Amino acid sequence: QVQLVESGGGVVQPGRSLRLSCAASGFTFYNTGMHWVRQAPGKGLEWVAVMWYDGSQQYYADSVKGRFTISRDTSKNTLDLQMNSLRAEDTALYYCARDRNGGLFDPWGQGTLVIVSS
Amino acid sequence: EIVLTQSPGTLSLSPGERATLSCRASQTISSNYLVWYQQKPGHAPRLLIYGASSRATGIPDRFSGSGSGTDFTLTISRLEPEDFAVYYCQQYGSSPPKWTFGQGTTVEIK
Repeated sequence: QVQLVESGGGVVQPGRSLRLSCAASGFTFYNTGMHWVRQAPGKGLEWVAVMWYDGSQQYYADSVKGRFTISRDTSKNTLDLQMNSLRAEDTALYYCARDRNGGLFDPWGQGTLVIVSS
Repeated sequence: EIVLTQSPGTLSLSPGERATLSCRASQTISSNYLVWYQQKPGHAPRLLIYGASSRATGIPDRFSGSGSGTDFTLTISRLEPEDFAVYYCQQYGSSPPKWTFGQGTTVEIK
């Protein structure tokens, strides 16, 4: 079955960097779009970034543009999120999710928690 | 930028009652890209409805979606204990590509 497992979260100081990873299995990763979505504690969902199905394009939310970079390794079936210049407002549970039909997220991983604090 | 506004913020109902959740877009959106998710505490969101009205695999038929243009509705015909959760609507815009969520509606046990 489709499985997404995030890792790499932790506590980091403001201004520092962190790299998240999502291990995918159970589907053809190399031709599937993938997203990162985050949820601040007690808050709603916010889309963060997308890797196009063929790896040709990446798009970002305005709140992370220029600081975050999404990438993938099709040989390892992994999706990464490099997060630089972290801010307190980046504190959230970060989910990776498979794109379906170009517009929806299904399924989601269990998430990895990032806390930005001094 | 399209904003999705969900109402009410919280819905207090008893098992067996009907729940009606609203999602209003700030401008007309394609029904093809209006989606509903359910999220239970401590769990990732789960796809419920896509294309405004199509149930995802394994979703019971007590869940239904409707609407078009700017107004969309998620209806739970008879609430089961496992349906008490937070529900989010979401849409996809293509120029530039961007995915937007509503702020969520909590369905709680009365």
